[in-house]
Amino acid sequence: QKEVEQNSGPLSVPEGAIASLNCTYSDRGSQSFFWYRQYSGKSPELIMFIYSNGDKEDGRFTAQLNKASQYVSLLIRDSQPSDSATYLCAVNGRSSASKIIFGSGTRLSIRP
Amino acid sequence: NAGVTQTPKFQVLKTGQSMTLQCAQDMNHNSMYWYRQDPGMGLRLIYYSASEGTTDKGEVPNGYNVSRLNKREFSLRLESAAPSQTSVYFCASSVREGVNTGELFFGEGSRLTVL
Repeated sequence: QKEVEQNSGPLSVPEGAIASLNCTYSDRGSQSFFWYRQYSGKSPELIMFIYSNGDKEDGRFTAQLNKASQYVSLLIRDSQPSDSATYLCAVNGRSSASKIIFGSGTRLSIRP
Repeated sequence: NAGVTQTPKFQVLKTGQSMTLQCAQDMNHNSMYWYRQDPGMGLRLIYYSASEGTTDKGEVPNGYNVSRLNKREFSLRLESAAPSQTSVYFCASSVREGVNTGELFFGEGSRLTVL
């Protein structure tokens, strides 16, 4: 079992709709959860981070964390063509808070 | 505004050759990382250094060695390159925030091809 699992997609969403990206993780001791966006040929950049159960909102983005279900999600409201990218979920490990493991990423395409 | 700097950006090696990827950060971060990225595989952790003087294996350490030269610099060495090590390599750094790890800042990546 991979430590961090994501659906590879591609996920196609119409412009203006809500895009929902999901991630599950295996280490119950994980405490740091991140969503990164990566455009083709570029480095990943941080979108959101969340440490506590519940929702965290930042503009059009909402991160949701459910530690009991070992589940992290990212919602993108009012999706724009510029949101088309690969979204990477990352989680730290209980054995070392500094050990950051990424999922394989979900490719998101926003169609006009 | 340098952030995380990786060199070289591109490299072609023959099987069996050795090389070192260099990484330096100017943000006074404690932790540094090396990842590799292959198509459809996301980022896979090779080695990381939680603080100066320590290094630990990640998910895919075989065939690599690392050195945390000082707080700023973290190098990745391929002793005998293999075609399976053809990949894009990313260096990253982060600061600890209490018990949590903060945001990872990435370099621009180094594209390595092994023939």
